[in-house]
Amino acid sequence: KAGVTQTPRYLIKTRGQQVTLSCSPISGHRSVSWYQQTPGQGLQFLFEYFSETQRNKGNFPGRFSGRQFSNSRSEMNVSTLELGDSALYLCASSLGPQGNTEAFFGQGTRLTVV
Amino acid sequence: KNEVEQSPQNLTAQEGEFITINCSYSVGISALHWLQQHPGGGIVSLFMLSSGKKKHGRLIATINIQEKHSSLHITASHPRDSAVYICAVKGGSNYQLIWGAGTKLIIKP
Repeated sequence: KAGVTQTPRYLIKTRGQQVTLSCSPISGHRSVSWYQQTPGQGLQFLFEYFSETQRNKGNFPGRFSGRQFSNSRSEMNVSTLELGDSALYLCASSLGPQGNTEAFFGQGTRLTVV
Repeated sequence: KNEVEQSPQNLTAQEGEFITINCSYSVGISALHWLQQHPGGGIVSLFMLSSGKKKHGRLIATINIQEKHSSLHITASHPRDSAVYICAVKGGSNYQLIWGAGTKLIIKP
């Protein structure tokens, strides 16, 4: 059974650009959660999607958005990139809603904004 | 005050030592997770528990619901156990996962 796949693994963008990150959950998993991790910081929750609906949203500006498709794959988009958006972006998939069942994490996308 | 507090923040020990990492929380929860993050970013779920104790190999996780406290123990620690250990609870007012800041563990050979 394939694990959680995040693409791309590494990305370099310029300030002001926008970026789209992708997460393919484990087959059968309906919940995808996104997190931002900056150096030395803990995981910061971005949003959770379950069955194509956003269930929860963290405290991030509107430049951060996401969606989930009918096959449970999820994308997150960051518009008008800022230097402070440089981080490791992780997604986690689970069978049920976030936290109710075991979460499986992808390897992350390391975004560098220059 | 953070809703999930982990201690210690950093821990360095010698190979073979018994390790304990603590997690205290202040909200009502339905589940508590322990995860491990290695350098490079990959995160692995170790345990999900809502009561009692779970064991997997050299790892043991316990939770005391009344005291709102959980511990992660590592027996016969090994340098490959060096990682950041993160506690997260499912609970709070909007039932999100609330994350601890992590405990950085270094096991010296």
